[in-house]
Amino acid sequence: GQNIDQPTEMTATEGAIVQINCTYQTSGFNGLFWYQQHAGEAPTFLSYNVLDGLEEKGRFSSFLSRSKGYSYLLLKELQMKDSASYLCAVRVTRDNYGQNFVFGPGTRLSVLP
Amino acid sequence: KAGVTQTPRYLIKTRGQQVTLSCSPISGHRSVSWYQQTPGQGLQFLFEYFSETQRNKGNFPGRFSGRQFSNSRSEMNVSTLELGDSALYLCASSLSGRRVDNEQFFGPGTRLTVL
Repeated sequence: GQNIDQPTEMTATEGAIVQINCTYQTSGFNGLFWYQQHAGEAPTFLSYNVLDGLEEKGRFSSFLSRSKGYSYLLLKELQMKDSASYLCAVRVTRDNYGQNFVFGPGTRLSVLP
Repeated sequence: KAGVTQTPRYLIKTRGQQVTLSCSPISGHRSVSWYQQTPGQGLQFLFEYFSETQRNKGNFPGRFSGRQFSNSRSEMNVSTLELGDSALYLCASSLSGRRVDNEQFFGPGTRLTVL
């Protein structure tokens, strides 16, 4: 089966650093993606990892360990606008090149002044 | 470049009715996926279409169906609506599905309320 876990809620202070963890158990793994979703809006792409290691993209970094089934999203210099839900998603591909993304439950991040 | 568009944005139906939702992908994108998002279950995959063929399907009953047209536009149909079908239905498009960095772009969603 496919299973992805994330903390339900996190709180951090403006200007701080926060790490959102994600653990997964899936078959057909072909990449781990992070999305940001503000309330009432569609998810927007933040970053992805296919190989082990750290990928940095401005204030956002994402790490992947495939052997441990573990990823994290690191947000630096937090801003109030970073208050949102963060979704961890595993891309699963099939032999027919079909794909689907299995999403975690999301982590609701609140940034306080 | 225009993003993914979905129509209608909001819809209210009653139990037993059927509904059709529409999605226009980003120009050049051939893969269209549909998701259901609810507070209790989160984002769940419904199906993926590529070149007018359903390539992948999630664990939803047969009341949920879809199709894709030659211009990559896609429609999703739900028949015999139930209260539990109330959700945000999201469409996402991507270039193909073979590239490892294949990013999905989401549309704004259709908010369906079943009374």
